[in-house]
Amino acid sequence: AQSVTQLGSHVSVSEGALVLLRCNYSSSVPPYLFWYVQYPNQGLQLLLKYTSAATLVKGINGFEAEFKKSETSFHLTKPSAHMSDAAEYFCAVTLNYGQNFVFGPGTRLSVLP
Amino acid sequence: NAGVTQTPKFRVLKTGQSMTLLCAQDMNHEYMYWYRQDPGMGLRLIHYSVGEGTTAKGEVPDGYNVSRLKKQNFLLGLESAAPSQTSVYFCASSYSSVRTDPLKRTYNEQFFGPGTRLTVL
Repeated sequence: AQSVTQLGSHVSVSEGALVLLRCNYSSSVPPYLFWYVQYPNQGLQLLLKYTSAATLVKGINGFEAEFKKSETSFHLTKPSAHMSDAAEYFCAVTLNYGQNFVFGPGTRLSVLP
Repeated sequence: NAGVTQTPKFRVLKTGQSMTLLCAQDMNHEYMYWYRQDPGMGLRLIHYSVGEGTTAKGEVPDGYNVSRLKKQNFLLGLESAAPSQTSVYFCASSYSSVRTDPLKRTYNEQFFGPGTRLTVL
């Protein structure tokens, strides 16, 4: 069965610093991977998705993620953090033609002034 | 398009009471899902539906029932609420792009509603 782990339940960075949120997955077949963002008291919004077309995926708000099959990773990065990036971020994997998603436990990002 | 909507937004129940949460989507999606979100546990799938009239159990189905009588609606019911069901509930929908050629299959993201915050006393 597939699973998703996110290293670090809480990450703090200074405004303008690099953001790195880690995601590792386990899957016996090539996965489709997603990053979602959740702002306080809101639902989840899609940041970006990997669907095997390109290993480096660009998303909204300056975020990008790189799929590394050898490391079974799909880490999320942003070169320069902004205060508005403070939120919770979820990595997810899906198989079965999108019928089932498995979400990681989430990483809360704090951005310090 | 309104996307995915959920009603109600907030609800407080007493132990043993019942209620139904309504999810509606106007994107003509085949798949719909109910999740619960609890601190430190991410989202856990309760039930899902791959089409009108069909439902299936997810990771944590006990204590919940669902129905998908119309394609655009997915109802989540609590027959006898318990304090352990205090949570934030999210509905989501997605669409299928299954192709017979595996190289042409696409996996599509889920669209989420704003959530329902339920407290069971």
